[in-house]
Order: sequence, then structure tokens, then C-alpha cells
Amino acid sequence: TQLLEQSPQFLSIQEGENLTVYCNSSSVFSSLQWYRQEPGEGPVLLVTVVTGGEVKKLKRLTFQFGDARKDSSLHITAAQTGDTGLYLCAGMMDSSYKLIFGSGTRLLVRP
Amino acid sequence: ETGVTQTPRHLVMGMTNKKSLKCEQHLGHNAMYWYKQSAKKPLELMFVYSLEERVENNSVPSRFSPECPNSSHLFLHLHTLQPEDSALYLCASSHARGGAGETQYFGPGTRLLVL
Repeated sequence: TQLLEQSPQFLSIQEGENLTVYCNSSSVFSSLQWYRQEPGEGPVLLVTVVTGGEVKKLKRLTFQFGDARKDSSLHITAAQTGDTGLYLCAGMMDSSYKLIFGSGTRLLVRP
Repeated sequence: ETGVTQTPRHLVMGMTNKKSLKCEQHLGHNAMYWYKQSAKKPLELMFVYSLEERVENNSVPSRFSPECPNSSHLFLHLHTLQPEDSALYLCASSHARGGAGETQYFGPGTRLLVL
């Protein structure tokens, strides 16, 4: 049973389009992180959200943590080819040092 | 930019070989982690060391043996592996053992192929 479900698993879009990636769980997390991983490299942290309902913006990327701290979304505006990669969400539960990872969304932005 | 380095970046080994993966962090962290990333599966936490003491062994087969000689170095010793152990092995480090908002910094990984 997957604790963190990411959708979609794969996404291929044209440069300039918008997209949203979802990360859902039935469990409550004390924080949730989004990473991007490029081929041959390790995951790189994009953002950490901690408060329910929190919205964070990183240039064209908007991250939202659900009110109940069970889900999160990543929205990319006007995607660029440089946004291509594997997007991973990871949640941390209260009183734990473990990061629970989702299975990832593989994004391809075509020129 | 990452302050976590891993060597080798690629490794091919037979099932009877013994090899070791090395991880080094230059961030002054005191917790280090080994993860396994297989195709079509989420990252799996294998081991956690905090202040050089192993605090997590996540049901990992004994053919994987971690070692943490100091807070900056972490090794994963491999012996008699199986083909299904082929994966990307990622090392990470953090300031403390978890807590809301604690950030783990990942190395580039070692791509392992077991023949």
C-alpha cells in the first residue's frame, strides 16, 4: 500500500502550457517536501511546506499544502523545457525522522 | 549544488563480488541516510545514522552492511548481491534526526548493476 500517491505518473506537455501535479495521502504529515530529480542525479529540494493551507511560490512554481495536511499540489505556469524531470513529494510524520516518498511524476516539456 | 558526494557513480558487479559505496558530506550535518531507488518504486529508506549511531535498519537484507566511521562519512558494503538489487543508491544527510521542515540533502547516487 502506497502511503503517498502521486498523480499523474507521467506528463508530456508543450512548452508554455500549465500543469498541476498532485500528492495525496490518508495520513497526516507534519511537513511535506517537493523535490526535482534529473537523470543521473539525486533529488534536489524545491520547497518545504509545514502549515495546513500554506501556499509557497518559487518563480513559476506554486506549492500548496492541504488544510488537513494530507495532500499537496505543485502547479507550474508556462512550463519550460528546463522543467523536465522527475518530481517527488515526500512527507514527514510527527515524531519521526523518516521521509515517506511518493512514486513520482515524470514530466517532459517539449519545445 | 550539493555538499554530498558519492563514489563510485557507476558500479557493475557480479553476484559473488564484494564492493563498497562511499558517501561524504561537507555540510556539517550529524545524520546520514542510505536510500534505494528502483524503477517504478518510491525511494526506500534503508539505513539511518545519527551521531554515528545506527538508528534505523529498515528490514534490509544482511548482504547490505552500512558503516559510519564519523559524522562526515558513510559506507555501504555489498556482498553476494542479487540481480534485483540493481538500483540507484542515494545517500543523504541532514542537521538533525527529523522534525517538521528538516531538510535532507541528497548526493548524486551510485548506479549499481548486479549481473
